Amino acid sequence: QVQLVESGGGLVKPGGSLRLSCSASGFTFSDYLMSWIRQAPGKGLEWVSYISRSGSIIYYADSVKGRFTISRDNAKTSLYLQMNSLRAEDTAIYYCVRHPHVDFQSWFDPWGQGTLVTVSS
Amino acid sequence: QSVLTQPPSVSGAPGQRVTISCTGSSSNIGAGYDVHWYRQLPGTAPKVLIYGNNNRPSGVPDRFSGSKSGTSASLAITGLQAEDEADYYCQSYDSRLTGWVFGGGTRLTVL
Repeated sequence: QVQLVESGGGLVKPGGSLRLSCSASGFTFSDYLMSWIRQAPGKGLEWVSYISRSGSIIYYADSVKGRFTISRDNAKTSLYLQMNSLRAEDTAIYYCVRHPHVDFQSWFDPWGQGTLVTVSS
Repeated sequence: QSVLTQPPSVSGAPGQRVTISCTGSSSNIGAGYDVHWYRQLPGTAPKVLIYGNNNRPSGVPDRFSGSKSGTSASLAITGLQAEDEADYYCQSYDSRLTGWVFGGGTRLTVL
């Protein structure tokens, strides 16, 4: 079945770095657009970053622009999020999601189980 | 402050009908971009409930329906059941932000 499994979360000090990974299975990974979405504790959902099928088109939310880098390895069917200069407000569960539809109107399905990133001294 | 506006909470008795509104602007819902709805149970990842304004994925009962008009959208739930207690989020695309946007979420309580 279609599955997304995130890893790499943990506790990091402000200013530190972390790299999240998402392993995809059950579908042809290279055929799909992908994004990262996060949810701070007790808060709502926030889209973080998007990457096209080839990785040639990338978008970021203003809140992470210049600090986070999204990438993918289609041969390894994996999605990544390199997070630098982390701040307390980056504390959240980070979800890896697939865009089932090719255009910008797409929804997100499925979602991974999420990985918790905690930024604290 | 979320780009899409939802009521923080709604409630209803079992069997009743409730609606959750989602208000956007001319750069997202009003620009014609589709609205999608997600349900999130405590401690779990969100799951799509309605996609493309009014389409249900397989397995979602027809008690759930979506609609869109102008700069707003709505999720309606009929025949409310205890298992419907969850957080509900709307989502669309915003051309001004060049990104995807969510509502702040609505907690549904079944009385």
